[in-house]
Amino acid sequence: QLVLTQSPSASASLGASVKLTCSLSSGHSNYAIAWHQQQPEKGPRYLMKLNSDGSHSKGDGIPDRFSGSSSGAERYLTISSLQSEDEADYYCQTWGTGIHAVFGGGTQLTVL
Amino acid sequence: EVQLVESGGGVVRPGGSLRLSCAASGFTFDDYGMNWVRQAPGKGLEWVSGINWNGGSTGYADSVKGRFIISRDNAKNSLYLQMNSLRAEDTALYHCARVSSYGGNDALDIWGQGTMVTVSS
Repeated sequence: QLVLTQSPSASASLGASVKLTCSLSSGHSNYAIAWHQQQPEKGPRYLMKLNSDGSHSKGDGIPDRFSGSSSGAERYLTISSLQSEDEADYYCQTWGTGIHAVFGGGTQLTVL
Repeated sequence: EVQLVESGGGVVRPGGSLRLSCAASGFTFDDYGMNWVRQAPGKGLEWVSGINWNGGSTGYADSVKGRFIISRDNAKNSLYLQMNSLRAEDTALYHCARVSSYGGNDALDIWGQGTMVTVSS
């Protein structure tokens, strides 16, 4: 079964960097994912599509501070030079065979 | 400007029906698949349903299969979700989202702000 696992929460200081993790279930380590940001009281915003080889394509207007990487079944979102507006929920999303999508449970990022 | 605007939400009694709409603008609608994603109050994102560019392929989450129907009208640049036999657990903010390719399956790259559905007696 295709499942994405995320830590419920993360925190980092203003100006620092943070690396969020999304784990693919066993047997799905070659799947691409997408990262989405949801700021408080706003709709989700697409950040990037991240492939298993670490290559990624970002959405329009996404700052260079956001980058993605991959290792095995792990997919990472790194945010550098953290700003207050980066405080948000971050979701990973993937898709299987047929028309079917899956979301991770989301990581709530606090900027200290 | 690329935009998705949902409408049709409201308060409905358990067992009732509701039809959501999503108006697309700023892009060639029939070049893309579309999805519905919901978010219950205080919870995470949950995929609901998807449809490919011409409506020939659809998919549903197990939680809504047999009760919800996704459709699209490319001439009207619109996506729909017919919701029947509604339950309290269907209460959520419903977002439409564009799939970044022809099929119904890929990264979701444009999101609407959502329309709220409340199922309550």
